[in-house]
Amino acid sequence: EAGVVQSPRYKIIEKKQPVAFWCNPISGHNTLYWYLQNLGQGPELLIRYENEEAVDDSQLPKDRFSAERLKGVDSTLKIQPAELGDSAVYLCASSSRTPRGAGGADTQYFGPGTRLTVL
Amino acid sequence: AQSVAQPEDQVNVAEGNPLTVKCTYSVSGNPYLFWYVQYPNRGLQFLLKYITGDNLVKGSYGFEAEFNKSQTSFHLKKPSALVSDSALYFCAVRDGGSYIPTFGRGTSLIVHP
Repeated sequence: EAGVVQSPRYKIIEKKQPVAFWCNPISGHNTLYWYLQNLGQGPELLIRYENEEAVDDSQLPKDRFSAERLKGVDSTLKIQPAELGDSAVYLCASSSRTPRGAGGADTQYFGPGTRLTVL
Repeated sequence: AQSVAQPEDQVNVAEGNPLTVKCTYSVSGNPYLFWYVQYPNRGLQFLLKYITGDNLVKGSYGFEAEFNKSQTSFHLKKPSALVSDSALYFCAVRDGGSYIPTFGRGTSLIVHP
């Protein structure tokens, strides 16, 4: 079973530029999460999707961040414009409501992340 | 509200010795507890979880964790450490009524040859 796929793995941009990250969850997983991970910290939720609906987005800075999951499968997270403080790793995770694999229901499976550096 | 604490930034252990990575939590309802491992430049990898049932949970790569309700702890353990276990370990908790886990700051495990 293929894992969560994210691209790009690394991105370096100048401040005020736009940037987008892409995530393809594990096949059949209806729940998709975007997390922000700063250096030396645990992941912090930005947004959670149930199928194509954003159900938890209170932590998403909506003035510059946006996300979409139009067909309830893959998702894009965008930052426009990027600021220096946005430098971090952006993680995507997915989970299923029905037991799949060793983790069982509701276990989140993470992608490798996108490391963003804003200069 | 839910929170999790990993009191040690770093744990050092010699290869072959037992290891423990500590985690304590706070939730208002029933806790769902998770351990993840993160290798450099990789995403978090699921190790094990406690939802209900036996307090001792066995997971991947020989790791296990013990749920202790009275001490609100969920410490990660392994009887014999390997150098390849060196990584960053994250404990996470969520209230049974929530879909969103709260992660700890992580503990760096260093296993010396």
